[in-house]
Amino acid sequence: ETGVTQSPTHLIKTRGQQVTLRCSSQSGHNTVSWYQQALGQGPQFIFQYYREEENGRGNFPPRFSGLQFPNYSSELNVNALELDDSALYLCASSLIGTNGYTFGSGTRLTVV
Amino acid sequence: QQQVKQSPQSLIVQKGGISIINCAYENTAFDYFPWYQQFPGKGPALLIAIRPDVSEKKEGRFTISFNKSAKQFSLHIMDSQPGDSATYFCAASGGYGGSQGNLIFGKGTKLSVKP
Repeated sequence: ETGVTQSPTHLIKTRGQQVTLRCSSQSGHNTVSWYQQALGQGPQFIFQYYREEENGRGNFPPRFSGLQFPNYSSELNVNALELDDSALYLCASSLIGTNGYTFGSGTRLTVV
Repeated sequence: QQQVKQSPQSLIVQKGGISIINCAYENTAFDYFPWYQQFPGKGPALLIAIRPDVSEKKEGRFTISFNKSAKQFSLHIMDSQPGDSATYFCAASGGYGGSQGNLIFGKGTKLSVKP
C-alpha cells in the first residue's frame, strides 16, 4: 500500500508568479485535501476534492484553485503569488465517509 | 469562529517522564478529535484519536483524556522517550467526509525529551 506522495519537495518562486503542486493519493482513497502550514503553525485547510469536484473550502482566496483527476491524484494551483504564501503545503487523502486522513510530506514553497 | 487552542507551545520532559499537552475547542458540532505527530521535514502522522462518547482512550504509551462538558481534551505520553521528540498537533472535525470532515488544527506543541 503506497502512501501519499507530493512533488516537488521544495520550490522557490517570485512574487506574482504562478505555481502548481502535485499529489498522488494513497491507494484506496478517493478524496484529496490540501492544507497550508506556515512556519511554527498548525496546518490550515484550503479545500477538499471528491469525484473531481471541490467538496469544501477553507478561508482562502480564489487564486488558490485545484483539480482532482480520475485516478484521484490532485493539483494545487496558486496564482499571483504573495510573500505570505511561503509555507509547507500538505496533501492528505482519505476515503469519503471516514476520518482516516493520510498526509504526504509536503512541498516547501518559498516566495521571494 | 471555529478554533482549537493548544498549550503549551513547547515542552521539555526528562526521559521516562509524563508529557501532557492540552487542547480546548469551541464548536460543539465537532465529533472527532485526533492527535498528530510531526517530525521535521515530514507530514503529520495520526497518533491516536477519540470521539466524544468516551472519556478516555489508551494506545500503548499514549492516552487521550476527553472532557465534553469543559470542551477540552489532552494527550498524555507515558514513559516519554527521546524518540518522542517532535511537534504534536491536536485537531478536531465536525463529521465524516465532505467539508465537515476537514481538520481544524491547534498551533502545535514542540516536545523535547531529554535523555
